[in-house]
Amino acid sequence: EPEVTQTPSHQVTQMGQEVILRCVPISNHLYFYWYRQILGQKVEFLVSFYNNEISEKSEIFDDQFSVERPDGSNFTLKIRSTKLEDSAMYFCASSGIAQFFGPGTRLTVL
Amino acid sequence: QKEVEQDPGPLSVPEGAIVSLNCTYSNSAFQYFMWYRQYSRKGPELLMYTYSSGNKEDGRFTAQVDKSSKYISLFIRDSQPSDSATYLCAMFPEAGGTSYGKLTFGQGTILTVHP
Repeated sequence: EPEVTQTPSHQVTQMGQEVILRCVPISNHLYFYWYRQILGQKVEFLVSFYNNEISEKSEIFDDQFSVERPDGSNFTLKIRSTKLEDSAMYFCASSGIAQFFGPGTRLTVL
Repeated sequence: QKEVEQDPGPLSVPEGAIVSLNCTYSNSAFQYFMWYRQYSRKGPELLMYTYSSGNKEDGRFTAQVDKSSKYISLFIRDSQPSDSATYLCAMFPEAGGTSYGKLTFGQGTILTVHP
């Protein structure tokens, strides 16, 4: 059964460093998303991506964040200068209609 | 008022019980309604989704949507200890706008099914 995959599963970084989180969506899906979940809180939408451009982004998704689909299979989230408050689980999702989530990347900013 | 409200529980039931999980929402634009199951520090796993009002059944799971009341439910029949997890409701608006696919989640309900 096709699934969304994400790498790495856990990323530890120093405050101010850049991180890139990687995702491989389900191959025939056209819509791609990033969400995050701070420990103990609800899952929050960050950004949606369709037809090689951002469809919508949340207030969280400021200039420090960017997304890219560098080839036909990968979808990445870059955080340019990480802050302590960026520590969270980051989930990639893809959809036709129903959204399927990856296992997540746990980002720890020290 | 929060866009999506969900009682966080925790909810504890004996094995074999019928479980009822619910969410209310305020945004009348929501048209697609999803239920996810999430284990600790794992990704949400899609259980069911429905479009607009009505019922949908899949095995032991039944999803109901009442758009007039802005209320959705998930019923689990013959609950098992393996059903113990956090259950998340999520929803998004109709196709055609930039918010299509932008899921708004509830807080999640923690469910424990004890043998």
